[in-house]
Amino acid sequence: SQTIHQWPATLVQPVGSPLSLECTVEGTSNPNLYWYRQAAGRGLQLLFYSVGIGQISSEVPQNLSASRPQDRQFILSSKKLLLSDSGFYLCAWSVWGSTYAGELFFGEGSRLTVL
Amino acid sequence: GDSVTQMEGPVTLSEEAFLTINCTYTATGYPSLFWYVQYPGEGLQLLLKATKADDKGSNKGFEATYRKETTSFHLEKGSVQVSDSAVYFCALSDIRTSYDKVIFGPGTSLSVIP
Repeated sequence: SQTIHQWPATLVQPVGSPLSLECTVEGTSNPNLYWYRQAAGRGLQLLFYSVGIGQISSEVPQNLSASRPQDRQFILSSKKLLLSDSGFYLCAWSVWGSTYAGELFFGEGSRLTVL
Repeated sequence: GDSVTQMEGPVTLSEEAFLTINCTYTATGYPSLFWYVQYPGEGLQLLLKATKADDKGSNKGFEATYRKETTSFHLEKGSVQVSDSAVYFCALSDIRTSYDKVIFGPGTSLSVIP
């Protein structure tokens, strides 16, 4: 069966420090991968998606970046965190065009607090 | 563009009460519709879905019917339990793109008290 893991689960970082959140998927090949952010009391904002290795699309311009060095690995990074980067970050995967079209499978989330 | 609107709550109900969470959408095509649930401190998981008009999705006692004429996908449950306390997200998927572009509503927080 397919599983998705993301880490770290919780992170407290000072303003201006770097960030790296990692997500890996098991049990499937060539998934679409996504990073969402959920700010406190708000809905989900799509940050990045990837349809293949090295292919990254950004939905919202910001000081975050994403990379996909391997088929089932998705990394969210920042060189210098801002206070506004605080939130709950969710990695997700899907298989576009399958019978599960439109379904996203989410990781456990990473809670980032920037102080 | 496509969008999803849902009642934001918070909604507080007593155990065994009837639940309705309203959801309406705007889409230029024929999207698939979803309800996701997020339990405290966790990621989202799919609760139910409907892929075409008049389809009814159901799971764990929850139901929602795809109403094209009213562009709605309201979530209902006849008798809620404390374990149903969570945030519920209505969503649509635009299948015209090359990836699963899922648009979420703002979420509705539900608290069920004994």
